[in-house]
Amino acid sequence: GAGVSQSPRYKVAKRGQDVALRCDPISGHVSLFWYQQALGQGPEFLTYFQNEAQLDKSGLPSDRFFAERPEGSVSTLKIQRTQQEDSAVYLCASSPSQGLGNQPQHFGDGTRLSIL
Amino acid sequence: DQQVKQNSPSLSVQEGRISILNCDYTNSMFDYFLWYKKYPAEGPTFLISISSIKDKNEDGRFTVFLNKSAKHLSLHIVPSQPGDSAVYFCAASAPYGGSQGNLIFGKGTKLSVKP
Repeated sequence: GAGVSQSPRYKVAKRGQDVALRCDPISGHVSLFWYQQALGQGPEFLTYFQNEAQLDKSGLPSDRFFAERPEGSVSTLKIQRTQQEDSAVYLCASSPSQGLGNQPQHFGDGTRLSIL
Repeated sequence: DQQVKQNSPSLSVQEGRISILNCDYTNSMFDYFLWYKKYPAEGPTFLISISSIKDKNEDGRFTVFLNKSAKHLSLHIVPSQPGDSAVYFCAASAPYGGSQGNLIFGKGTKLSVKP
């Protein structure tokens, strides 16, 4: 498909387990963003990549959260030692621009993470 | 401290009438504003945007108005259709500095269009 693809769509994990969430951006898009959306809230910024470089990780809530985009395409968001407050929908977005604004970001359908 | 506020959690409109969704922001550095539409279990879908150098942008049934002095924008949908029923998110970005163009979202307004 031509859109942003995220997998898995749903993930259930026990507290303390590690999880990995995958994002396939739109082909050729330079910028990639991760957001976290809690129930009843708008998405909140986690981290930003320009190609393979992680230029902003100011939104990551703790050092348990780690993201990478080693070849400038697919990205993985990893959460170590998950806690119940990590339960949320994790959204990935991509845009063709290099973070200079005026380009809409296109979102995937997200991964709904539930920590038991 | 919310930088983007959507003060109406919900809005109900009759089919064929106008829907007006409102959004306020506090950061004067924002220069690009977007509206997204979200259906349950799907990601936000880009609807329409406006740059701060404009005060109006129109795309079919959707028009976004920007009032920079009031730090306010609105989305007008005319005529409203039942398929427009969804949660609408207002978002803003400031391309310079540390934000790198990441979006700041409001909490959303749930629009219900009744037949």
